[in-house]
Parts: sequence; structure tokens; C-alpha cells
Amino acid sequence: AQTVTQSQPEMSVQEAETVTLSCTYDTSENNYYLFWYKQPPSRQMILVIRQEAYKQQNATENRFSVNFQKAAKSFSLKISDSQLGDTAMYFCASILGGDKIIFGKGTRLHILP
Amino acid sequence: NAGVTQTPKFRILKIGQSMTLQCTQDMNHNYMYWYRQDPGMGLKLIYYSVGAGITDKGEVPNGYNVSRSTTEDFPLRLELAAPSQTSVYFCASSLGTSYNEQFFGPGTRLTVL
Repeated sequence: AQTVTQSQPEMSVQEAETVTLSCTYDTSENNYYLFWYKQPPSRQMILVIRQEAYKQQNATENRFSVNFQKAAKSFSLKISDSQLGDTAMYFCASILGGDKIIFGKGTRLHILP
Repeated sequence: NAGVTQTPKFRILKIGQSMTLQCTQDMNHNYMYWYRQDPGMGLKLIYYSVGAGITDKGEVPNGYNVSRSTTEDFPLRLELAAPSQTSVYFCASSLGTSYNEQFFGPGTRLTVL
């Protein structure tokens, strides 16, 4: 079965620190797509960053970057210079084959002032 | 451009009642999805559609029905509501599958008593 696993249910960091959220997945596919979505207290899901598996270069979006390790099936999200507005649930997700996206259970991130 | 809209925002149902959750998108997206999010969990796909007239089951379709008569609308029907269907329901749309970002609606919080 294709799965997405987030092993950190909850994390807290001080404002301006760097934090890394972990995600692993299981697939037999060679090409697939990986995403990080953010869900703030407002509940609105927002795409943070995405990565195509065949691209070796790690994706970067401003303060957000990923560490994609294809052999290890790992896709971690790094948030640099964290801000209070980064407080949210973060979901790792993947399209591992076909049309369907699979979400992990999420990591609740608290940015402390 | 409203994006993805969902109605209602909140609803309380009694066991055995039926209702339809409405979802509309104005981005001319072909793909639309229905998810449910249980407390502390990630999103689970209920049904999805790749275009008008085409629907397919996701991970948790039992107890639900969908239809897609137009590109814009993708209603989700609950027949004979059960307490296990208490959840937050999200509708999403995307231009296509794979690398394309999914745009989410604000969600509907449903409680079945």
C-alpha cells in the first residue's frame, strides 16, 4: 500500500528559529509528486511547496525549502526564520500513482514569541 | 474570482437524515475532490471527478454519493447520516492531476447527533 507518514504529531519552536518537519512515504512508482500543505487555524488549506520526484534539485519557496531524499523516500520541510504566522498544521502529501493524492496525518507546529 | 466555495459552513444533522454539501469552483478546473478530515487526522479522499459526467471513488466512499453535471459544481450527498460521518468536509479543485496544485474550499463542519 502507498502511504505517507509524518512521525512528529506536534512541535514548538521560538520565533526566528529554523524548524524541520519530517515526512516519509512508501511507493513502488518511479515518478511521483510530493507536496507540503499548510492549514492555519482558519482551516484553509494552502500549498506551501511541491517537488517532482524526477527532479534532483530540492524545491525552495522563500523561507521554505525541502530536503528530498529519493532513495530514503524522505521529504522533509525546512522553515527558516520562523514567524508567528507559520503556526499551523502542516500536511505532507503525495501523488504516488494515478489521480489520487494521499495525505499524512499532519504535524501541528507552534511558533512561540 | 471566488475560487472554491462551499455551503453550508456548519450543519447539525440527526441520525438518519440526509443532506447535500455544495461545492462550486470558478477556475474552470477539470478535477474536483471531496475530502473529510476527522479530528487530529489528515484528509481522506471520499470521491473525485476528472470532468463533467465522470466520478470515481476515493478511499472512504461508503455512505456518500456525488454527481458532476457541470464543470463548476460537485455536490456531495449524505444519505442516512450516521455519527461516524461527523467530520469537516473539504472540497478542492485542480487544473489537472500530478503536479497541479489543489485549491481548497473553506470546509463544512458537520455534526451528526
